[in-house]
Amino acid sequence: SQQGEEDPQALSIQEGENATMNCSYKTSINNLQWYRQNSGRGLVHLILIRSNEREKHSGRLRVTLDTSKKSSSLLITASRAADTASYFCATGRPGGGNKLTFGTGTQLKVEL
Amino acid sequence: GAGVSQSPSNKVTEKGKDVELRCDPISGHTALYWYRQSLGQGLEFLIYFQGNSAPDKSGLPSDRFSAERTGGSVSTLTIQRTQQEDSAVYLCASSLGLRVGGLNTEAFFGQGTRLTVV
Repeated sequence: SQQGEEDPQALSIQEGENATMNCSYKTSINNLQWYRQNSGRGLVHLILIRSNEREKHSGRLRVTLDTSKKSSSLLITASRAADTASYFCATGRPGGGNKLTFGTGTQLKVEL
Repeated sequence: GAGVSQSPSNKVTEKGKDVELRCDPISGHTALYWYRQSLGQGLEFLIYFQGNSAPDKSGLPSDRFSAERTGGSVSTLTIQRTQQEDSAVYLCASSLGLRVGGLNTEAFFGQGTRLTVV
């Protein structure tokens, strides 16, 4: 089973609105990362949050992490049509070496 | 190279044939990962390398799948006797592999190989 499960599976919003995606995971982690994928090909790293951090910002992106609930959220503010993509969370586990386990992803569509 | 390079970008093969997929990671990256993604699905972990050894190959679906990495650089994923269910995009990624403060580092992905078994 997937370590990370994102919800919603799909999200459609209007340009300018905010988009929020959630990720839940099952085991303890040392960090959580968010990636973006366009057109079903290579993924691009967006942001990394450590297990001892609660919130992190990067441009229009805001990530929160709640280790007690084993969940994270990615907020994209003032969305643009170019933000249309699939978004995945990935977790690294203590003692797991450098293995990254990805979730199932959220497909975001931003309409004009 | 400038990024992770995968070849071929597309491969169509007949059921029962063997295929080799190649991944050329970013120079200096010690960690290398293989994932599989079926249409509209998430990433399925296959195997990861630290240097030339594979600490975790638990995701390889069957003994028809194998992977190797030589010289701490290029990796080859081999699928023997391909089946239609092997059709997917195979993604390779690499990272520095350094445990900076106990963290995994950012992974850089190639554009993938789209495998179609007919």
